[in-house]
Amino acid sequence: GDSVTQMEGPVTLSEEAFLTINCTYTATGYPSLFWYVQYPGEGLQLLLKATKADDKGSNKGFEATYRKETTSFHLEKGSVQVSDSAVYFCALRGSSNTGKLIFGQGTTLQVKP
Amino acid sequence: GAGVSQSPSNKVTEKGKDVELRCDPISGHTALYWYRQRLGQGLEFLIYFQGNSAPDKSGLPSDRFSAERTGESVSTLTIQRTQQEDSAVYLCASSLDARSEQYFGPGTRLTVT
Repeated sequence: GDSVTQMEGPVTLSEEAFLTINCTYTATGYPSLFWYVQYPGEGLQLLLKATKADDKGSNKGFEATYRKETTSFHLEKGSVQVSDSAVYFCALRGSSNTGKLIFGQGTTLQVKP
Repeated sequence: GAGVSQSPSNKVTEKGKDVELRCDPISGHTALYWYRQRLGQGLEFLIYFQGNSAPDKSGLPSDRFSAERTGESVSTLTIQRTQQEDSAVYLCASSLDARSEQYFGPGTRLTVT
């Protein structure tokens, strides 16, 4: 079945460092790919998405490119801030009509000043 | 407008008791999802409702779990004879339809003692 694998955390970075969180997936057909973020004490919210190969999703300085050849959707940010500290989840929505999301296990990012 | 709301926010119950969790979706959203988030893990899909169609129950872990939704309104997730492994945060999400962005509620933290 469909699955998502993300790099294990926690990831600890200094402010202004470059961030990469790796995400790879297994799916039949043409899934849509998502990054969700869960800030401390808050609910899960959509960060960015890409619905077809070579699409780049971007939001709040974060980017991820849908790479079908490597089945990857790595999250990147050029310069992280303390306020980016959160748990990041990679997810896919398969080709079925249900719209259910398959999530990775989450990666905790801690940014130190 | 109001987001997705869930109640209770926290629930502590004894092993073997039944619990009922409630989700109020965003008005007008035809699709509703339940997910479970165990400590340190990603979200697991449980069940999906879309309008008056038969629900997708493929994620329910056992027959102790059931869910109902009346039309496009409130949904309840019921866990019978709770076990310690049921301890988790139960998240509800709603969307306009199966292919639209899912908006998540704050979750219900269930602790089975």
